[in-house]
Amino acid sequence: GENVEQHPSTLSVQEGDSAVIKCTYSDSASNYFPWYKQELGKRPQLIIDIRSNVGEKKDQRIAVTLNKTAKHFSLHITETQPEDSAVYFCAASRNSGNTPLVFGKGTRLSVIA
Amino acid sequence: DAGVIQSPRHEVTEMGQEVTLRCKPISGHDYLFWYRQTMMRGLELLIYFNNNVPIDDSGMPEDRFSAKMPNASFSTLKIQPSEPRDSAVYFCASSLISGDSYEQYFGPGTRLTVT
Repeated sequence: GENVEQHPSTLSVQEGDSAVIKCTYSDSASNYFPWYKQELGKRPQLIIDIRSNVGEKKDQRIAVTLNKTAKHFSLHITETQPEDSAVYFCAASRNSGNTPLVFGKGTRLSVIA
Repeated sequence: DAGVIQSPRHEVTEMGQEVTLRCKPISGHDYLFWYRQTMMRGLELLIYFNNNVPIDDSGMPEDRFSAKMPNASFSTLKIQPSEPRDSAVYFCASSLISGDSYEQYFGPGTRLTVT
């Protein structure tokens, strides 16, 4: 089955700096890669996703890149703000609908004002 | 839509007691997932349903755990008997796999404490 590794487990950045979180996956058939943000005491919420027919996707200050050959994908947050502080989870799955998401262990991002 | 609804939000029980967690998915969604979240193990998939039918329960830790989905708008996760190591936040999520959308919408979670 799929295995998703996520690094780093914790990340501290100064406000305004960029943050990068990296994930690797094991199943070459995986082709859907979402990122979820979970604020303290709240539920995980989707912030961006990418499919394997796309190498990069951007939404304002957030971007995700995918390298299918190396089987890794990354989340990039630019111009970080204190409200970006949260735990971020990457995930992977096949998009057949019959295989659910496999989540990484999460990265706790702290943005220091 | 009110989103995914879970109850109770908090549950404190003694070891050996039966615990039932409830979930109402978003109307029209055809997939329902139960996850358990702990600091040590992160987000673990316990079981998921498609059109009320259990598809994969390999994540259910042991026979003490059971889940049902009697209809499209209701699911339960039961632990009997409960143990302290079951303490965690349990999330229910639902999704509708169609077109380009595969987003899973999570409920607010149930924080379970077993003493």
